Amino acid sequence: GAGVSQSPSNKVTEKGKDVELRCDPISGHTALYWYRQSLGQGLEFLIYFQGNSAPDKSGLPSDRFSAERTGGSVSTLTIQRTQQEDSAVYLCASSSYVAKETQYFGPGTRLLVL
Amino acid sequence: DAKTTQPPSMDCAEGRAANLPCNHSTISGNEYVYWYRQIHSQGPQYIIHGLKNNETNEMASLIITEDRKSSTLILPHATLRDTAVYYCIVANNNDMRFGAGTRLTVKP
Repeated sequence: GAGVSQSPSNKVTEKGKDVELRCDPISGHTALYWYRQSLGQGLEFLIYFQGNSAPDKSGLPSDRFSAERTGGSVSTLTIQRTQQEDSAVYLCASSSYVAKETQYFGPGTRLLVL
Repeated sequence: DAKTTQPPSMDCAEGRAANLPCNHSTISGNEYVYWYRQIHSQGPQYIIHGLKNNETNEMASLIITEDRKSSTLILPHATLRDTAVYYCIVANNNDMRFGAGTRLTVKP
């Protein structure tokens, strides 16, 4: 596709359940980022992947959050034992090696934990 | 710890220039200034970035002060579609720490 895609677009889950959020970056982009945005707030950095390097996980809020990137392309963000405070929009972005400063964002996944 | 300070909101008349300020007094020598915007219900969109020289592209102009402690994003002829939250970010790597931004409302 032409842009970053994310799925699902919306997810409603019950407290304590695990969820998986998927991101398909722009083809050829080596860098992939996950952010989350709570209602009315700015973006919060979660994790960053660059090529085959070890990911920068410094923004993950707890050990319930994890992410992987298979084959240097698709990424999955997993939240285990979801809590109500995990409710937010989870945004994925990618950038190319040549133009690292320009991140292209996906539409996001709206997660609601009941 | 916020690296940038922006006013929470601003209004601008349609067709006039919108000047959005950003303070980044603790910026270090190898950090760039980036501007993104986020239109309601969409993901952020890259606008422009610079190190120390003023920059211009088809969307906006970026004016960085000589001491690099502040900058201004200029939308030369604001339209209603420019209504959005504008984020000023300082970074030297890919760790983009977005703050609360400035909510710009362009009014007819």
